[in-house]
Formats: sequence, C-alpha cells, structure tokens
Amino acid sequence: DIQMTQSPSSVSASVGDTVTITCRASQGISSRLAWYQQKPGKAPKLLIYAASTLQSGVPSRFSGSGSGTDFSLTITSLQPEDFATYYCQQGSNFPRTFGQGTKVEIK
Amino acid sequence: QITLKESGPTLVKPTQTLTLTCSFSGFSLTTTGVAVGWIRQPPGKALEWLALIHWDDDDRYSPSLNNRLTITKDTSKNQVVLTMTNVDPTDTATYYCARQPTVGATAKVFEYWGQGILVTVSS
Repeated sequence: DIQMTQSPSSVSASVGDTVTITCRASQGISSRLAWYQQKPGKAPKLLIYAASTLQSGVPSRFSGSGSGTDFSLTITSLQPEDFATYYCQQGSNFPRTFGQGTKVEIK
Repeated sequence: QITLKESGPTLVKPTQTLTLTCSFSGFSLTTTGVAVGWIRQPPGKALEWLALIHWDDDDRYSPSLNNRLTITKDTSKNQVVLTMTNVDPTDTATYYCARQPTVGATAKVFEYWGQGILVTVSS
C-alpha cells in the first residue's frame, strides 16, 4: 500500500493568514493526488485534483503543487469558512489511500 | 445533477453482516469510465477507502478488509451495495459512497459524495 503522510496534523491560524499543508507519499504517484476539505458532520468536498487543478467552484485562494512523492496545499488569505480538516488522497494505485488529515483551527 | 445517498441499518450487533446501499442519480454505472466506491470514517478519525466497483464489474477492495467485503451493482436500480461480514465494534463509522471517474481530468478521485450514514456496532 502507498502510505500518505500529512503534516502538520493540526495548525492554528488567524483569518487572513496563509497556511500550507504537506502530504508525502511513500512511493512516487506522479500527479495522482487530490485534496479534500471536510467540515464537522459533512462529507468531504473535492478541492484539488491532479495535484494542482482547482475543482470547479473552489475559490482561487486554494492552490496545490507537487509531483512524485511531495505535495502541498496552500490556502492564502484564510477565510472563516476555511476552518476545517483537509485530507490528501492518492489515485495512483489500489488500494486508494488517504492522509491522516490536517485540522485547520482558529487561533 | 449528480447525487448519491447511503442507506442501511444504523445499529448492528457484533458478528452480524452489514449491508449498505448507495442509491445514485445523474449518472449511470453502465457508462464507460465510471466507478462508485465506499469510504468510511470512524468517529474523530481519518478517512479509509474500502472498495470500488467499475462500470465493467471490475471490483477492488482494501486488503485489510478484503475477505469481509463484497461490492455489487444493480444498474437497473442505480444502486451499489456493500456487504461487510462479521462486524466488530471497530467497524463503527460513518460510511460514505462516492463517484470516481476512471478517465478524464478527475480520474481516480472522488468527485461526488453521499451525505454518509453512521453505523454503530454494539451489542
């Protein structure tokens, strides 16, 4: 299985801050990486696919980068609605695997 | 408009078999390149991928649960069914179904999700 390791596991930030979350795959996955946002009691929402492509309707303050084994999700000018948990997921191999999540909390 | 919705029991006893149904609309599982999968999330924990079935009946499973899971589809009803045998309290989780294309820009990611169903395993 490909292990996906996110860091940090949680981050405290203020509205207007820039936050970067990283995701490392245990082996190369090309650009087969997605990022999801999940709010309490809700299903995950696709934010970014193919490592850096923004899903339709997702604000441009979200961006993704990386390929191979190292990836990142950056949220610039953090908004109140961005406080949530974020997960990466690899789509290169079966079984599909997710990172352990990064919770973005209000400072 | 694509929608998915999970249904099934919310309380199951240990050792029983859990059967969950994903009912969807807005797409067909007879269309080339379409797949539907199941993902679960224990309370307060991370997402865990369980199984996936493709339009051509190719099915894939999590190795850690492979011998307990079966995924099937009923294209006439637009449903995907996940069966999990011999459940245990550690199977307590919210279970989601989600649509995953296998071709195109969003290939291999879960574009659309159901709302989830919380299943508790307890005697």
